[in-house]
Amino acid sequence: AQSVTQPDIHITVSEGASLELRCNYSYGATPYLFWYVQSPGQGLQLLLKYFSGDTLVQGIKGFEAEFKRSQSSFNLRKPSVHWSDAAEYFCAVGVYNAGNMLTFGGGTRLMVKP
Amino acid sequence: GAGVSQSPSNKVTEKGKDVELRCDPISGHTALYWYRQSLGQGLEFLIYFQGNSAPDKSGLPSDRFSAERTGGSVSTLTIQRTQQEDSAVYLCASRGKRGRTDTQYFGPGTRLTVL
Repeated sequence: AQSVTQPDIHITVSEGASLELRCNYSYGATPYLFWYVQSPGQGLQLLLKYFSGDTLVQGIKGFEAEFKRSQSSFNLRKPSVHWSDAAEYFCAVGVYNAGNMLTFGGGTRLMVKP
Repeated sequence: GAGVSQSPSNKVTEKGKDVELRCDPISGHTALYWYRQSLGQGLEFLIYFQGNSAPDKSGLPSDRFSAERTGGSVSTLTIQRTQQEDSAVYLCASRGKRGRTDTQYFGPGTRLTVL
């Protein structure tokens, strides 16, 4: 069965600093990988996704992620964090042979210091 | 509508009562998912509908949970004889018809509190 691990439950960064959120997955084939963001009281918004091709994926709000097959990782990065980026971030893997239902990591809560 | 909508946004019920949660997917989307977000279990898949096919119920935690999708559009998740451990945010998502690689769009969720 597939699984997703987000090792960092909480991360605090200063506004303007760079950010990297870690995601490791376990899946027997080429995964479909996603990063979603959830602001308080809101649903999940897709930041970016990887299916195939270029392993560096650009998303919305200045985020990017890099798929590294050898490390089973799909880390999310942003060069300069804004206060509005404070939220919870979820990495997810889609099951290829089924309906692409998503298996989520536990989430990383990002706090941004002024 | 422009996005996935869910109602009610909040539901408080007493242990043992039945509840119904509603999801209106994006118009034209053929796939619909229910997920549950709880403190103890994180985000977990519950059930998946694709067109007129039989739903994939592999994520439902017990037979107290059921869901239906009428006319290939609106879906209702029903929890019978609610328990305190059912307290969670129930999220609905829909996906377009271009294939499995299409994005799942999530609604704002229904926060269920079982007293």
